[in-house]
Amino acid sequence: QVHLEQSGAEVREPGASVKVSCKASGYTFITYGFSWVRQAPGQGLEWMGWINSNTGSTNYAPTLQDRFSLTTDTATKTAYMELRSLISDDTAVYFCARTDASGNSDPFDFWGQGTLVTVSP
Amino acid sequence: DIQMTQSPSSLSASVGDKVTITCRASRSITNYLNWYQQRPGKAPKLLIYSVSTLQSGVPSRFSGSGSGTDFTLTIISLQPEDFATYYCQQSYSSWTFGQGTVVEVK
Repeated sequence: QVHLEQSGAEVREPGASVKVSCKASGYTFITYGFSWVRQAPGQGLEWMGWINSNTGSTNYAPTLQDRFSLTTDTATKTAYMELRSLISDDTAVYFCARTDASGNSDPFDFWGQGTLVTVSP
Repeated sequence: DIQMTQSPSSLSASVGDKVTITCRASRSITNYLNWYQQRPGKAPKLLIYSVSTLQSGVPSRFSGSGSGTDFTLTIISLQPEDFATYYCQQSYSSWTFGQGTVVEVK
């Protein structure tokens, strides 16, 4: 069965960076992509970006692309999300979600459990 | 960017009620419209994709309709486990979520 296991909660100071992992199991890793979605406390869902697990091709939301990057490691079947120059507004739960490899049109059919990132002095 | 607007933002209902949530896109997204359910403290769960196709395992009391810019999620005979927040999502051009609709107990 498909399962996405994310890394644990993180606390960072403003200006620091954070890297969250998402380890996949139960399917052929390179035939799908990942999107990352975040949810600030009490708020809705914000799509952040997408990556093709095989080629590494990416598509980032315009508001984040300067300090945001996605990578994958096909050997360990793990996707990574890195956010740099953190500010307090980056405090949120970050989710990875499986989607299609082409970067077009498919929904997010499986989700990780979420990783809380807290940005605090 | 395509904006998604849901209404209402929240609603109160009772077990057994029929509930309807609407979602409007800022421009045509043809049939690239998906619905998710999120319970407190949990990850979202895909309910419906491509407007009206139920994801595997989703009860048939959930249904979706619409095309172009206007879409609807309907829950007939609301069950206790259905009290949650619902999000629409367009997947026509990248992905964008609506702001969510909270279905709470009346």
